[in-house]
Amino acid sequence: KQEVTQIPAALSVPEGENLVLNCSFTDSAIYNLQWFRQDPGKGLTSLLLIQSSQREQTSGRLNASLDKSSGRSTLYIAASQPGDSATYLCAVKESDYKLSFGAGTTVTVRA
Amino acid sequence: DVKVTQSSRYLVKRTGEKVFLECVQDMDHENMFWYRQDPGLGLRLIYFSYDVKMKEKGDIPEGYSVSREKKERFSLILESASTNQTSMYLCASSPFKSGAHVEGYTFGSGTRLTVV
Repeated sequence: KQEVTQIPAALSVPEGENLVLNCSFTDSAIYNLQWFRQDPGKGLTSLLLIQSSQREQTSGRLNASLDKSSGRSTLYIAASQPGDSATYLCAVKESDYKLSFGAGTTVTVRA
Repeated sequence: DVKVTQSSRYLVKRTGEKVFLECVQDMDHENMFWYRQDPGLGLRLIYFSYDVKMKEKGDIPEGYSVSREKKERFSLILESASTNQTSMYLCASSPFKSGAHVEGYTFGSGTRLTVV
């Protein structure tokens, strides 16, 4: 059974610092990995999707890497801003209908 | 630019009521999903559908049913709401292209349901 772990569970940084969020998974037989952002009381917003054959994806200040063989992904957010405060979830796609989620990392960026 | 729309952001229902949660997507996706999200338990799959009138149970289907009469619309039904169904409900959709997984899931904004 796939297990997805996100460490740390919570993170507080001063504005301007770079953020590093970690995601690990136990079964490397995945199709892709997706990073989401969730604001309190809201739905999930997709940030980046990395195919299993890819090593990284970038969008603006966000960069996500994937090392499928070791079961790890990292989301980097450069020059953090208070607006980056949210919970970040990673999810691995195991089949056409199966997405396994981590519990999330709650980020607070202090002004 | 809204792509997955959940009809209600907040709902308050009484125990025993029949509750309908509606979800509509405009991306022509084949797959649609209903999850619930609870503190400490994360996201759990209730039901999914891969085609019109087709449905499959997820991890926690008890107490729920679903309906998909049109490709764009997927409804979650609580036949007789109970307090333990108080939760955040999230709808999602994804395309199906055999052998290709280049697109991810798109989620709606969620419905916070309180059963009193």
